[in-house]
Amino acid sequence: QPVLTQSSSASASLGSSVKLTCTLSSGHNNYIIAWHQQLSGKAPRFLMKVEGSGRYNKGSGVPDRFSGSSFGVDRYLIISNLQSEDEADYYCETWDSNSWVFGGGTRLTVL
Amino acid sequence: EVQLLESGGGLVQPGGSLRLSCAVSGFTFSTYAMSWVRQAPGKGLEWVSGISGSTTYYADSVKGRFTISRDNSMNTLYLQMNSLRAEDTAVYYCARDRVFDSWGQGTLVSVSS
Repeated sequence: QPVLTQSSSASASLGSSVKLTCTLSSGHNNYIIAWHQQLSGKAPRFLMKVEGSGRYNKGSGVPDRFSGSSFGVDRYLIISNLQSEDEADYYCETWDSNSWVFGGGTRLTVL
Repeated sequence: EVQLLESGGGLVQPGGSLRLSCAVSGFTFSTYAMSWVRQAPGKGLEWVSGISGSTTYYADSVKGRFTISRDNSMNTLYLQMNSLRAEDTAVYYCARDRVFDSWGQGTLVSVSS
């Protein structure tokens, strides 16, 4: 069963870019992961899925400022031109044959 | 438009039972895997249970106590929760597909005496 590791917090300035990382446990470098955004007090929202190849597919209505990439066991969520409304918790998630797993989440602060 | 709407949450005593429902619309429910995900107060997201076709899956923390099911004719997903514990207190969300590409708004379950 894969394990997903995320930094607990990140911060970046308004208008800048930030790259959040989700690291798969060893041996799981081909796994697809999904990124979800959770604004304070709200339900999570699907942002995109990211494949090991780096290909990503975004959900409906997700701004162009959001993109994904991949390198080895690392999956990235890149947010460009940060806006105040991007301040949220970001979770990665994956699955295997009989279970799903989340990373611990990264709290993004927009300075 | 894809919609998922949970209901059935509430306050229950330890050892009690509760059944959650997730009514869906806007897509062909029977063709999608579905899951329940929970979030304890101030904590991260935790997968609870999933169903794909008729095959069911459970997190170790709820195995033997919770039962997931679906009624494709009613476009509804269920979670029967028995032998509830204080640590089951959380907002429970239903989510679609393996990538959780749509979420409900959540229903709060509080287990307390």
